[in-house]
Amino acid sequence: DQQVKQNSPSLSVQEGRISILNCDYTNSMFDYFLWYKKYPAEGPTFLISISSIKDKNEDGRFTVFLNKSAKHLSLHIVPSQPGDSAVYFCAASAQDFGNEKLTFGTGTRLTIIP
Amino acid sequence: KAGVTQTPRYLIKTRGQQVTLSCSPISGHRSVSWYQQTPGQGLQFLFEYFSETQRNKGNFPGRFSGRQFSNSRSEMNVSTLELGDSALYLCASSLSGSRSYEQYFGPGTRLTVT
Repeated sequence: DQQVKQNSPSLSVQEGRISILNCDYTNSMFDYFLWYKKYPAEGPTFLISISSIKDKNEDGRFTVFLNKSAKHLSLHIVPSQPGDSAVYFCAASAQDFGNEKLTFGTGTRLTIIP
Repeated sequence: KAGVTQTPRYLIKTRGQQVTLSCSPISGHRSVSWYQQTPGQGLQFLFEYFSETQRNKGNFPGRFSGRQFSNSRSEMNVSTLELGDSALYLCASSLSGSRSYEQYFGPGTRLTVT
């Protein structure tokens, strides 16, 4: 049962344009959402997060939007740069003190075309 | 501050053998989590250790086990290897009492089972 879904395995975007990566979840107990970025031969690195009490969080070129009613979140990258080419994982957690764990999506490979 | 280190980085084993992977967390981090990454499945949570105790466990068979030492270093063991165990195994460390989002990942161990 995939509780966090990234339905687009890959995405190609022209340099300078907006990249939009999508993520859907099914577990209504999830209250914290994160995006991780992964380059080949490296572990994932934390990019940006959002709490369920917010609907938007911005950090430089990266903005995450959360639509709780639709159980959907998206990551916007503007403007896209060649260094953004990587696999992006969406992850979610439910508050359960001492027993929290991250549930990851399957990832979206973003390719920025120069 | 040194990051999370994992050894070995690459490993080739044959079916039926067992394997032990090692993870050294960031200094001061007491929680270590293990994940399995396979194409199409994303990152799947194996287990988490905190203060030498398994605190959380994913849905993997008993062939997958782990332990944590008093210096917070952790090992993961897989017995009776199967072809389907071929994957990238990632560990992540975090401070005690933190939520999952404060995890820092190592570069992973690429296990190939032939």
